[in-house]
Amino acid sequence: AQKITQTQPGMFVQEKEAVTLDCTYDTSDPSYGLFWYKQPSSGEMIFLIYQGSYDQQNATEGRYSLNFQKARKSANLVISASQLGDSAMYFCAMRWIYNQGGKLIFGQGTELSVKP
Amino acid sequence: DTEVTQTPKHLVMGMTNKKSLKCEQHMGHRAMYWYKQKAKKPPELMFVYSYEKLSINESVPSRFSPECPNSSLLNLHLHALQPEDSALYLCASSQGEVLGETQYFGPGTRLLVL
Repeated sequence: AQKITQTQPGMFVQEKEAVTLDCTYDTSDPSYGLFWYKQPSSGEMIFLIYQGSYDQQNATEGRYSLNFQKARKSANLVISASQLGDSAMYFCAMRWIYNQGGKLIFGQGTELSVKP
Repeated sequence: DTEVTQTPKHLVMGMTNKKSLKCEQHMGHRAMYWYKQKAKKPPELMFVYSYEKLSINESVPSRFSPECPNSSLLNLHLHALQPEDSALYLCASSQGEVLGETQYFGPGTRLLVL
């Protein structure tokens, strides 16, 4: 069965430093997609970055990059130059090719706190 | 524009009330989703509509009744809810159900059932 694991319930980072949020996944399907979302205390889930299982290069979007290690089944999110506004809950999520309706499953989340 | 709107932002209801949550998107997306999220937990999928037809019902109790009147609108009708149904209800949409298509979420409705 497909599964997403985020092992860091909470993390602290100093402002302007980089931080890595861990995500591992388990699937036997050859085709899948991995997403990262940010959820501030206001509640909205904000899409950050996407990595497809066949993508040769790691995805990047501004200060966000995804460290994709397919053999290890990990898709860690790297945030460079942390800002106070990065304090939020971060969810890793996965879809796979054979699931009905494009179902998205989420990890348990990591709560990131950025310290000034 | 990747905006999904949801109304109301907050809702308090008694167990005998009937209320509805509304979700709207104008991105031309053909798939729309309802999720339920308890505090400090990940969202859990409830329903998926694809091309205005219900394609997934994740064994949700019948006191939750979804409706998709047109391709831009998604409603969730609530009746005889229980206090444990108190949660953040998130709506999302995507272009379709293809693997790489991103789901964009609305700000959510915070529901409290008394």
